[in-house]
Amino acid sequence: EAGVVQSPRYKIIEKKQPVAFWCNPISGHNTLYWYRQNLGQGPELLIRYENEEAVDDSQLPKDRFSAERLKGVDSTLKIQPAELGDSAVYLCASSLDYRGHYEQYFGPGTRLTVT
Amino acid sequence: AQSVSQHNHHVILSEAASLELGCNYSYGGTVNLFWYVQYPGQHLQLLLKYFSGDPLVKGIKGFEAEFIKSKFSFNLRKPSVQWSDTAEYFCAVNAGTYKYIFGTGTRLKVLA
Repeated sequence: EAGVVQSPRYKIIEKKQPVAFWCNPISGHNTLYWYRQNLGQGPELLIRYENEEAVDDSQLPKDRFSAERLKGVDSTLKIQPAELGDSAVYLCASSLDYRGHYEQYFGPGTRLTVT
Repeated sequence: AQSVSQHNHHVILSEAASLELGCNYSYGGTVNLFWYVQYPGQHLQLLLKYFSGDPLVKGIKGFEAEFIKSKFSFNLRKPSVQWSDTAEYFCAVNAGTYKYIFGTGTRLKVLA
């Protein structure tokens, strides 16, 4: 079974530039999560999707971050414009559903460096 | 606000030593509890989970954790660590809102 796929693995951009991250969850997983992990911290939830619906985006900085999950499968997270403080690892995870009885499977993450 | 505390940020042990990593959470209701591990260069993966029933849960690679409701704790243990256990360990709680809250992680280094 293929795991959660993320691309790119690394991205270096200058501040004020846009950047996008892509995630392909495990087949059949209805729930998709985007997390941000700062250095020395645990993952922090940015947004959770149930199929194509964003059901929890309370932690997403909506002035510069946006996300979409077309057709309830792949998802894209975008930052525009990026700031120095956005440097972090962006993790995508998926699970069969949201009720917490199913473990989350994490992708390898995208390490973003904003200079 | 819900939170998860991992008291040990860095732990160094020799092979065969026993391990206990602390995890405390703040939430008064029903919780689902998890320990995830991230080996060097790899992605986060599940070690073990607790939903209900026996508060002592066993996971992969000889790890176990005990849920003590009265102490709001879910400590991770292993009787004898190996060099290959060198990794970062994260405790996570899923409570009520279906939002997973992660601790800050504990970096374990096992000396051969």
